Amino acid sequence: DGGITQSPKYLFRKEGQNVTLSCEQNLNHDAMYWYRQDPGQGLRLIYYSQIVNDFQKGDIAEGYSVSREKKESFPLTVTSAQKNPTAFYLCASSPQGAENSPLHFGNGTRLTVT
Amino acid sequence: AQSVAQPEDQVNVAEGNPLTVKCTYSVSGNPYLFWYVQYPNRGLQFLLKYITGDNLVKGSYGFEAEFNKSQTSFHLKKPSALVSDSALYFCAVRDGRDGGFKTIFGAGTRLFVKA
Repeated sequence: DGGITQSPKYLFRKEGQNVTLSCEQNLNHDAMYWYRQDPGQGLRLIYYSQIVNDFQKGDIAEGYSVSREKKESFPLTVTSAQKNPTAFYLCASSPQGAENSPLHFGNGTRLTVT
Repeated sequence: AQSVAQPEDQVNVAEGNPLTVKCTYSVSGNPYLFWYVQYPNRGLQFLLKYITGDNLVKGSYGFEAEFNKSQTSFHLKKPSALVSDSALYFCAVRDGRDGGFKTIFGAGTRLFVKA
């Protein structure tokens, strides 16, 4: 079955450490996204990528970095510069140029930084 | 600027009764509107969308939504609620003018269906 796989499901890190969240899709979608979810705030866009080797900042990109070396993969690094990294992170994808298509989501990674 | 408002943090309904989850939006261009559902510790699942045409849109699991352009609303409805409908519901809007790469989500409404 096609879908988006996020790993790990739960991640614990000490403050000051960088951490990378994995996102892999086999839907053959060109566009991929990272969202952050906090209670009562909905989803906020961190980064998105329309095509391989290209990505754009979303609304809350500070303290995060991404890469898009392969169509299938869009890893997110949460750096030590992110002031409040504890959150639920969701990866999504959509076909290119299909603004009327829904987003397809992975099952998320819950990051806890202490 | 695009925005989505879900005025209710929580909606409580008895099983078998109709339910409504409210959503209003603001977008400059033609709106592409979506409803998603989220179960605990899971990603969002697509329920239905409005692109153009009939103002009443039918989606998954018996849900439907009514688009009202004059009131800029897109309320989610179901004629008879089930306990299994209890979840977090998100309304979202996509502005087609920017290539559709930015989806704006509401804060979410938690639905509790009591048996």
